[in-house]
Amino acid sequence: AQSVTQLDSQVPVFEEAPVELRCNYSSSVSVYLFWYVQYPNQGLQLLLKYLSGSTLVKGINGFEAEFNKSQTSFHLRKPSVHISDTAEYFCAVSRTGTASKLTFGTGTRLQVTL
Amino acid sequence: DTGVSQNPRHKITKRGQNVTFRCDPISEHNRLYWYRQTLGQGPEFLTYFQNEAQLEKSRLLSDRFSAERPKGSFSTLEIQRTEQGDSAMYLCASSLVGGLVSNEQFFGPGTRLTVL
Repeated sequence: AQSVTQLDSQVPVFEEAPVELRCNYSSSVSVYLFWYVQYPNQGLQLLLKYLSGSTLVKGINGFEAEFNKSQTSFHLRKPSVHISDTAEYFCAVSRTGTASKLTFGTGTRLQVTL
Repeated sequence: DTGVSQNPRHKITKRGQNVTFRCDPISEHNRLYWYRQTLGQGPEFLTYFQNEAQLEKSRLLSDRFSAERPKGSFSTLEIQRTEQGDSAMYLCASSLVGGLVSNEQFFGPGTRLTVL
């Protein structure tokens, strides 16, 4: 089985500042890693994913994440946030192979203020 | 590609009533997933279908819950004898196994259930 820990339930940040949202996972098998964003009253939108290859993954809206196998981490970063980035962010894992179920963390609320 | 749609978006019901939700996946997506999300938590897997076959069910899916995907297209999730603990957002997702973007699940907007 897999599990995901998002260490921060809330992250307040000023606009144009950099941000890092932390994610650690646990699994006895190889995994794929994902970050999703959820805006209020909406479904989840995929930001980026790591399947294989380069450990630095770039996604939409200027976000990127780095897979660190030794530390079992997949932290999400953005060098300069915007007010519109205010949302809930979820880290998720699935075992490798064809499109298996996702296991999500509890989420991190990113609050961007002026 | 019109995205994953879910109906209704909101449902308020009284304890003990039955409710049914519908999910229409992205056309030609062969996998369909149901997740449940309670307040302050991440989504939790309930079940998934490959075409019309239900391949896996979570232990969260009690015998009051049933899901179908009769023709391999839309899916329904029924909850019988609802309880207050069933109040949650029910999310549907679909994916195309074997396609170029396999492993990417596309989520619908969810159905928010409130049991009074």
